[in-house]
Amino acid sequence: ETGVTQSPTHLIKTRGQQVTLRCSSQSGHNTVSWYQQALGQGPQFIFQYYREEENGRGNFPPRFSGLQFPNYSSELNVNALELDDSALYLCASSLGAGEQGTQYFGPGTRLTVL
Amino acid sequence: GENVEQHPSTLSVQEGDSAVIKCTYSDSASNYFPWYKQELGKRPQLIIDIRSNVGEKKDQRIAVTLNKTAKHFSLHITETQPEDSAVYFCAARSQGGSEKLVFGKGTKLTVNP
Repeated sequence: ETGVTQSPTHLIKTRGQQVTLRCSSQSGHNTVSWYQQALGQGPQFIFQYYREEENGRGNFPPRFSGLQFPNYSSELNVNALELDDSALYLCASSLGAGEQGTQYFGPGTRLTVL
Repeated sequence: GENVEQHPSTLSVQEGDSAVIKCTYSDSASNYFPWYKQELGKRPQLIIDIRSNVGEKKDQRIAVTLNKTAKHFSLHITETQPEDSAVYFCAARSQGGSEKLVFGKGTKLTVNP
């Protein structure tokens, strides 16, 4: 198992609500990437944080936002939830980029929007 | 942007047989290609990866090959076992920027005892 943890494990929300998901990166890692995995699909890149700065963003609307803290843990915030936001949200930690950029995934947070 | 196609979407083999999963990518700047195994309800786990300066890499029963000219890479699992049953994802990453991973849609491998 990797040292990447996520909370909560499961979450049920209703349309229009807001949600915050959390990720603790593996010890020594300074980069966190967030992915959305819909049922039966591969993970899709949401954004990445490197040393507390956003370092790239996928095709997700601005209501998906994030944060990285000095200890390199990270949060994913989603506002105005829609039914299509129901998915498994995965974070992956890595040590920088290039040769050391191997990404290790956390167990995910299963979000259900009703 | 990068696009990764993965085939087949499902694969059923008998225990002891070999399994091959193929992926193609579109961005010639991609230089890193990991493979992840995801069991039901669990996190994707890295099983092997290859960088663009290498043509083949092996780790026990698992091997990955890369053809940069054709922009495709493949996962080979030999002597399959029931515990190999899972969904396998290929991914590609370009150098520079966020170095995000772009994933294929996955292959559900079933190894029948």
